[in-house]
Amino acid sequence: TQLLEQSPQFLSIQEGENLTVYCNSSSVFSSLQWYRQEPGEGPVLLVTVVTGGEVKKLKRLTFQFGDARKDSSLHITAAQPGDTGLYLCAGFNSGGSNYKLTFGKGTLLTVNP
Amino acid sequence: DVKVTQSSRYLVKRTGEKVFLECVQDMDHENMFWYRQDPGLGLRLIYFSYDVKMKEKGDIPEGYSVSREKKERFSLILESASTNQTSMYLCASSETWRQFFGPGTRLTVL
Repeated sequence: TQLLEQSPQFLSIQEGENLTVYCNSSSVFSSLQWYRQEPGEGPVLLVTVVTGGEVKKLKRLTFQFGDARKDSSLHITAAQPGDTGLYLCAGFNSGGSNYKLTFGKGTLLTVNP
Repeated sequence: DVKVTQSSRYLVKRTGEKVFLECVQDMDHENMFWYRQDPGLGLRLIYFSYDVKMKEKGDIPEGYSVSREKKERFSLILESASTNQTSMYLCASSETWRQFFGPGTRLTVL
C-alpha cells in the first residue's frame, strides 16, 4: 500500500510569513498533485509535478518534486489570509488502476491578518 | 469548466435509514469516485467507477454500495445508516489523473 505523509498537520502563521509543507513517501509516484480545499468546498487542483527535481511556481507558491519522485514540498512566500485552507498532496502511479490517487492527510494552514 | 454537483450540501438522517447521495458531472468523464473525509484521517476512497455499471471497491467499502446507471451520475448508498457514517462525503470525476471534486455533502446520522 502506498502512503503519503504530510507535515506539519497544522500550521498557524501571521500574514507575510513564509512557510513550507512537506509530502513524503517511501514509494515512487509517476506524478504528484497538490490540491487546496477551502472550508465547505471540495479540493481544487493547484499543480501537478511529473519529473524528478521539477520546480513549478504559481504566483507566491513554489512546488518541488523530489529527484527520486518520492516526495514533494510546497513553499508559500509572504502568506496572505486568502491562502488559508487545507493543502492536500496526492500521488498517482501509472501502474495502478483507473487513475486512482493516493492522498495525504493534509496540512491545515491558517494565515492570520 | 468541469462541474461536479452533489445533491445536498447538508443531510441529517436517523440510524437505520437508507441514504442516497447523488453526484452528477457534466464533462463526460469515464471515472467517478466517492470519498469520505474525516478530521485526522484525510480522504478515504469508498468506491470508484470506471464506466457505466462498472465499479470497484476502494479502501473502506463496508456499509456502502454504489450505482452507476448513466455515465454522468454516480450514486452512493448507505443501506442502513449508522452513527459512524457521519462524515463529509466528496464525489470526484476524472478522465486522467486530475480529479474534479464536488462541494461535498456533510452527512449527520443521529
